[in-house]
Amino acid sequence: DADVTQTPRNRITKTGKRIMLECSQTKGHDRMYWYRQDPGLGLRLIYYSFDVKDINKGEISDGYSVSRQAQAKFSLSLESAIPNQTALYFCATSDPGQSPDYGYTFGSGTRLTVV
Amino acid sequence: AQSVTQLGSHVSVSEGALVLLRCNYSSSVPPYLFWYVQYPNQGLQLLLKYTSAATLVKGINGFEAEFKKSETSFHLTKPSAHMSDAAEYFCAVTPRGYSTLTFGKGTMLLVSP
Repeated sequence: DADVTQTPRNRITKTGKRIMLECSQTKGHDRMYWYRQDPGLGLRLIYYSFDVKDINKGEISDGYSVSRQAQAKFSLSLESAIPNQTALYFCATSDPGQSPDYGYTFGSGTRLTVV
Repeated sequence: AQSVTQLGSHVSVSEGALVLLRCNYSSSVPPYLFWYVQYPNQGLQLLLKYTSAATLVKGINGFEAEFKKSETSFHLTKPSAHMSDAAEYFCAVTPRGYSTLTFGKGTMLLVSP
C-alpha cells in the first residue's frame, strides 16, 4: 500500500456540485498539506494542517475547505465546484521530527474535472 | 515571503548530453531548497535537498545541484541525460523556521535519442 493514498484518482463533476477529495497516510506524520497543480503554474498551497486541531489557509484557499478527521486523514472539499477548479490535486505529508529536512511525501494525485 | 523562478518551461536535450535546469530563489532568511521530479501520471518524488550542509548536493539518478548564495541559485545538473530522465522538474524553497514549501512553475525535460 502507498504511504499517502488519495481517493478518487479521477473525478468528473458538474458545476455547482459539492465534492470531497480524501487523503489518508500511513507515515505517522503530523503535518498534512493540500496543493493544486495547474499546467504552467506549478503547485500552489491550498490548506495545511500541523495536527488534528490545527488548520491553516494557504495561498489559494478561496472556494475550498478542509477537515482533519484524524492524524492520518485530511479531506479537501469544494463546496460548489466551478470549472476553474479543474486541476490535479495533491496531498502531502511531512514530519517535523525530521526538521530541517522538510521532506514531503506526496500522494499520486486526484485529477478533477469540473464541467 | 519566498519565491522560486525556474527559467525555461521546457528544456530539450539529446541522450548523453548535459542536463542543466535553472532555479533562482528569493527568501527573506536563509533557505532550504529542494528539487522534485514528476513522471507522467505520478506524484512528486524528492530528487535532492539543500539544508545548509555542503553546498554541492548529490541526489538520486545521478543528479546534483549547487547552492550559490551570491547568485541566489540552485541549478540542477546531470552530466549525461538518459531517456528515462524525461519528466517535469520542480524547484522548491522554504525559509528556515517556516513550514511550507513554495514551488516553482516547473520545467519539462525532453530527451531525444
